[in-house]
Amino acid sequence: AQKVTQAQTEISVVEKEDVTLDCVYETRDTTYYLFWYKQPPSGELVFLIRRNSFDEQNEISGRYSWNFQKSTSSFNFTITASQVVDSAVYFCALRGSGNTPLVFGKGTRLSVIA
Amino acid sequence: NAGVMQNPRHLVRRRGQEARLRCSPMKGHSHVYWYRQLPEEGLKFMVYLQKENIIDESGMPKERFSAEFPKEGPSILRIQQVVRGDSAAYFCASSPTATLTEAFFGQGTRLTVV
Repeated sequence: AQKVTQAQTEISVVEKEDVTLDCVYETRDTTYYLFWYKQPPSGELVFLIRRNSFDEQNEISGRYSWNFQKSTSSFNFTITASQVVDSAVYFCALRGSGNTPLVFGKGTRLSVIA
Repeated sequence: NAGVMQNPRHLVRRRGQEARLRCSPMKGHSHVYWYRQLPEEGLKFMVYLQKENIIDESGMPKERFSAEFPKEGPSILRIQQVVRGDSAAYFCASSPTATLTEAFFGQGTRLTVV
């Protein structure tokens, strides 16, 4: 069975601080995909990144970076120099091989205070 | 190229009424996934459809819920005789292939049962 755990329910930081959102996953598949989504207060789901299990290279996109470590089954997300507009709920998701749907974590609510 | 379109964005129904939620996938996408997000929860998979076929409905409640994706027109999620516990945000995602490596979601329909 696939499972995603986001242990941090809520995080509050002051603007310009760095913040890391944790994601731990479980799967028996050797091929799988990991995703991060942002859900701002307006409610839509914004796709941030997809990573497949064969690519452990870390990725940086502007102030966002992702650390994928298969050894610890983790796919953590770091926001550098956080801004108020980063306030949102962030979801980590996992998709196994075959016609399997996305499995989501419960999300981490990030509040960035000015 | 429009994204995944869901309508209505907000839907209010009285207990016992029927709710119909529509999802128009991205152009060229023939695979649709429906998810439900209960308040303060992550997204839970409901059903996966391909044109005119239900592929996986393992997440659908056994009663009152049904889904279709006809040859022409949007995918429809139908909830009969709604109850207060059906109040949630319902999201659909579409994909050009069965592998869901590109998972783009619509803006969701927020159903409120009064």
